[in-house]
Amino acid sequence: GAVVSQHPSWVICKSGTSVKIECRSLDFQATTMFWYRQFPKQSLMLMATSNEGSKATYEQGVEKDKFLINHASLTLSTLTVTSAHPEDSSFYICSASHRDPYNEQFFGPGTRLTVL
Amino acid sequence: QQPVQSPQAVILREGEDAVINCSSSKALYSVHWYRQKHGEAPIFLMILLKGGEQKGHDKISASFNEKKQQSSLYLTASQLSYSGTYFCGTESPANDYKLSFGAGTTVTVRA
Repeated sequence: GAVVSQHPSWVICKSGTSVKIECRSLDFQATTMFWYRQFPKQSLMLMATSNEGSKATYEQGVEKDKFLINHASLTLSTLTVTSAHPEDSSFYICSASHRDPYNEQFFGPGTRLTVL
Repeated sequence: QQPVQSPQAVILREGEDAVINCSSSKALYSVHWYRQKHGEAPIFLMILLKGGEQKGHDKISASFNEKKQQSSLYLTASQLSYSGTYFCGTESPANDYKLSFGAGTTVTVRA
């Protein structure tokens, strides 16, 4: 199956700092990448959809100025959590899809963010 | 809108069977099934497309009833490795083909 990596695996930061998370598709070109957030024992909540070379589409209730997404190439998307606060602590997971022929999504290993 | 999964949790002994259901109020294009172990990312199991597909791999199979907008995942002769939380993700034209995930079903297989 397709391999998606995320970096870092975990990060602890102080309130007010910004954190960047990278998502890479290692063995295929991802037409679309998705960013999810998952709280303990809850489902995956889609934050935004990112297409290479265009602006990300954010889900309702997700602040685009707080969660900056850049999809610079077909293999790399980044999520920057700006001015992080303790309520932003969560498990952030990216997925990648080449939509050919189907919209199978392959998930990265996730990044656990803890904001102190 | 999220699909509804049932049951919320199930406990099995090795070798027993289980069924996990996923239903949606919207017309579906496809249903995806994933399994997630604690602290790890979800692993893709299978995708079922409209047209009434059934699929299987080893002793895990699934069906998709397009008319009822429902899918079921069947765990047959469960193994310890089947433990985890199973999520269905539904893809719908009404949701721009993005995946909406159910709340998950936690499966615990005991020896």
